[in-house]
Amino acid sequence: AQSVTQLDSQVPVFEEAPVELRCNYSSSVSVYLFWYVQYPNQGLQLLLKYLSGSTLVKGINGFEAEFNKSQTSFHLRKPSVHISDTAEYFCAVTRKNSGGSNYKLTFGKGTLLTVNP
Amino acid sequence: DAMVIQNPRYQVTQFGKPVTLSCSQTLNHNVMYWYQQKSSQAPKLLFHYYDKDFNNEADTPDNFQSRRPNTSFCFLDIRSPGLGDAAMYLCATTTSGTLEQFFGPGTRLTVL
Repeated sequence: AQSVTQLDSQVPVFEEAPVELRCNYSSSVSVYLFWYVQYPNQGLQLLLKYLSGSTLVKGINGFEAEFNKSQTSFHLRKPSVHISDTAEYFCAVTRKNSGGSNYKLTFGKGTLLTVNP
Repeated sequence: DAMVIQNPRYQVTQFGKPVTLSCSQTLNHNVMYWYQQKSSQAPKLLFHYYDKDFNNEADTPDNFQSRRPNTSFCFLDIRSPGLGDAAMYLCATTTSGTLEQFFGPGTRLTVL
């Protein structure tokens, strides 16, 4: 089984400051990794995903994440945040080669990013 | 635009009164999921359909049922809602060969 730990439940930052949201995972097998964003009263939207290849992954809205296998981490970063980035961010994993009926995501508990003016 | 639609967006029901939540998709995806998300928590998978095959999570209460009459529609039935079932219910879809789940906007259920 896989598990995901998001170390910070809340991260307040000022507008235009850099931010890092931390995610660590545990798995006995290779995994795929995802970051989703959830704006208030909305569903989840995929920000980015790591499947293979380059460990630095770029996503939408200027976000990027780096996969570190030795540290089992997949931290999300943005060099300069905007007020509109205020949202809940979820890290998720799924087992590699888990397609078909076995494809299920395991989510972390989420990090609430609040960007203040 | 292709999308995942959930109706209604807000649902109020009474304790013990059956309720049905609806999800439809125009993506023609063969896999559909239902998640329960309580306040400030991660989405919790209740069950999913792979084509017509129903896959229930081991810890999903019997109170929760689902129907998928065709590829486009999926329903979540809560037979006797309790106060603890108040939550956001999210529907998501994907298709074989892709690893992204596409989420609907959710239905917020209130139980009085």
